Amino acid sequence: GAGVSQSPRYKVAKRGQDVALRCDPISGHVSLFWYQQALGQGPEFLTYFQNEAQLDKSGLPSDRFFAERPEGSVSTLKIQRTQQEDSAVYLCASSFKGGPYEQYFGPGTRLTVT
Amino acid sequence: KQEVTQIPAALSVPEGENLVLNCSFTDSAIYNLQWFRQDPGKGLTSLLLIQSSQREQTSGRLNASLDKSSGRSTLYIAASQPGDSATYLCAARNAGGTSYGKLTFGQGTILTVHP
Repeated sequence: GAGVSQSPRYKVAKRGQDVALRCDPISGHVSLFWYQQALGQGPEFLTYFQNEAQLDKSGLPSDRFFAERPEGSVSTLKIQRTQQEDSAVYLCASSFKGGPYEQYFGPGTRLTVT
Repeated sequence: KQEVTQIPAALSVPEGENLVLNCSFTDSAIYNLQWFRQDPGKGLTSLLLIQSSQREQTSGRLNASLDKSSGRSTLYIAASQPGDSATYLCAARNAGGTSYGKLTFGQGTILTVHP
C-alpha cells in the first residue's frame, strides 16, 4: 500500500506569507505526528493527533503555527506570517496507534522563507 | 524531559572498516529506540527498531543494541561501503508523561565512507 505522502515537497515563501503543508497518512492509521527539522539538526516534535483530536501541541513554536486533522485522516500544518526562522523541513509521520507502534515517515516538505 | 545525544557528530572512515555509532538517552521510560538513515535532502529511512524488552536487532550488516538501564544504544555497521555515507539518527519513543509515544531524536552522526 501507499506510504505517507506530503505536499508540496518544496515551498518558497516570502516573509510574512501564510503557508499550508499537507500530510496524507497511511490509511487506517490512528496516530499522526508532525516534526520540524532545522538544517543540521535532528527532527523535533511539533504536535500529535489521535484521529481528529489534537492531544498534544506542546512543540508548536508559536501561535503562528496551527495544525488540524478534521476528519481523522489528512492533516494540514499552517504557518501564518512566516519568518525566516521557520525555514526547515517539516516531517509528518503516522502509526497504527500511539505508544510502541512504529511511526512511518513521509518525505517531508522543505520550506524556505526568503 | 528526554534528551538524546549522539557521538560522534561526524565520522570519516575508509571503505571496509567496521564502525560503531553511539546514542545515549536520559529517560529510560521508553517504548523502544529506533535508528534511521537520512540522505542529503531526503526523508528518513528506518533501519532498525529495538523494543524496550529487547537487547539487540540485526539487519544485514547492521546490528543495533540497547541497554535501557544505562540509557545507551549502539549501531554497529560491518564492512562499511561508500553507499553507507549518510546521516544516522537515533530516536527514543517516550513512554513517560504521555501514552502516545512521541519520538525524541538525537542530532545525528554524519558518516562518510571513502573508497
